[in-house]
Amino acid sequence: EPEVTQTPSHQVTQMGQEVILRCVPISNHLYFYWYRQILGQKVEFLVSFYNNEISEKSEIFDDQFSVERPDGSNFTLKIRSTKLEDSAMYFCASSESVSLIYGYTFGSGTRLTVV
Amino acid sequence: KQEVTQIPAALSVPEGENLVLNCSFTDSAIYNLQWFRQDPGKGLTSLLLIQSSQREQTSGRLNASLDKSSGRSTLYIAASQPGDSATYLCAVRPGWAGANSKLTFGKGITLSVRP
Repeated sequence: EPEVTQTPSHQVTQMGQEVILRCVPISNHLYFYWYRQILGQKVEFLVSFYNNEISEKSEIFDDQFSVERPDGSNFTLKIRSTKLEDSAMYFCASSESVSLIYGYTFGSGTRLTVV
Repeated sequence: KQEVTQIPAALSVPEGENLVLNCSFTDSAIYNLQWFRQDPGKGLTSLLLIQSSQREQTSGRLNASLDKSSGRSTLYIAASQPGDSATYLCAVRPGWAGANSKLTFGKGITLSVRP
């Protein structure tokens, strides 16, 4: 069964450093998303991406965050200057079409720890 | 603003028991509802997706029902096994299913099935 692949599975970074989280969505999917889950809290939406541009972003997704689909297969989330409160599990997801008959497929996540 | 609630937060049952996990949402104008399983420190595995026009979906020992008008969904697990131990999350998608329609998650129910 097709999968959404995320790398790395775990990243530790110093406060103030830039991190790039990588995702390879399912190949025929057109809609891409980033969600995050702070330990013990709900999974929350960050950003959606379609047709090479951001469709919607949450209030969490401030100027420190950016997304990119650099080469037609990878989908990346960049955090420019990490803060302690950015420590969370970050999930990439993709969906096939706007009809959403098949729902989302999520990756296994990247656990980001900011020290 | 859509709110999704899952109560209780945790549940412990003996092996073999049939059980029901509840999910409620405040805005009944949803496009679909998706149940996910999350193992500790891992990603989100989609279990069942119910479109707003459907009343239930079944997969193996799992059955999910949807009562959109009352803002409720239940996930029924038959003959529970220790391997079912995980956190179960429900998530709803708003009624306007455009590219930028995002999932709103509940906090999840952590299920422990005792041998």
